[in-house]
Amino acid sequence: EADIYQTPRYLVIGTGKKITLECSQTMGHDKMYWYQQDPGMELHLIHYSYGVNSTEKGDLSSESTVSRIRTEHFPLTLESARPSHTSQYLCASSDGRRTYNEQFFGPGTRLTVL
Amino acid sequence: AQSVTQPDIHITVSEGASLELRCNYSYGATPYLFWYVQSPGQGLQLLLKYFSGDTLVQGIKGFEAEFKRSQSSFNLRKPSVHWSDAAEYFCATTGGGNKLTFGTGTQLKVEL
Repeated sequence: EADIYQTPRYLVIGTGKKITLECSQTMGHDKMYWYQQDPGMELHLIHYSYGVNSTEKGDLSSESTVSRIRTEHFPLTLESARPSHTSQYLCASSDGRRTYNEQFFGPGTRLTVL
Repeated sequence: AQSVTQPDIHITVSEGASLELRCNYSYGATPYLFWYVQSPGQGLQLLLKYFSGDTLVQGIKGFEAEFKRSQSSFNLRKPSVHWSDAAEYFCATTGGGNKLTFGTGTQLKVEL
């Protein structure tokens, strides 16, 4: 079944640790996105990719980095986690052949940095 | 640049009552509009979308939305709300581009 997956779903980690949030999709989509969402708040785009080896920063500045080595995989990395990184991170993908950019979302990773 | 406004932060309705969630957009041309629903601790699920054509669009779970260009609105409606509809609802638009711009969301509470 075509879907989009995120792991881990929940992560509690100490300050200074390096973390990678995984995102994979089996829909064959070329475009992928990372959003950050604080509790009760709107979603902010922090990274996006239009294909392999293509990554761009989004509207909200983020200390995280991303890579796109394979079409289906779009991991997000924080080199040194801080309490200010505590948030929910949502991954999404879309089919670039469609002009209306309907995005499909994963279940999210809720990150808590102590 | 496109923008979306959801004027209601919280709405409470009784189970079985009708529901309307408001969404206003700002964009010069015909926008692409979406409604997503987010249950606690979950990702976003697409309820419905509007690109062109019939201004009344039907979605999943009994939801519908009407595009009104004259009012720059895309309000979400449901004739009879179920307790399981309690969630956060986001209106979004791409404005014809590649990036989704979200509203701040409306938290729906359903009273039994």
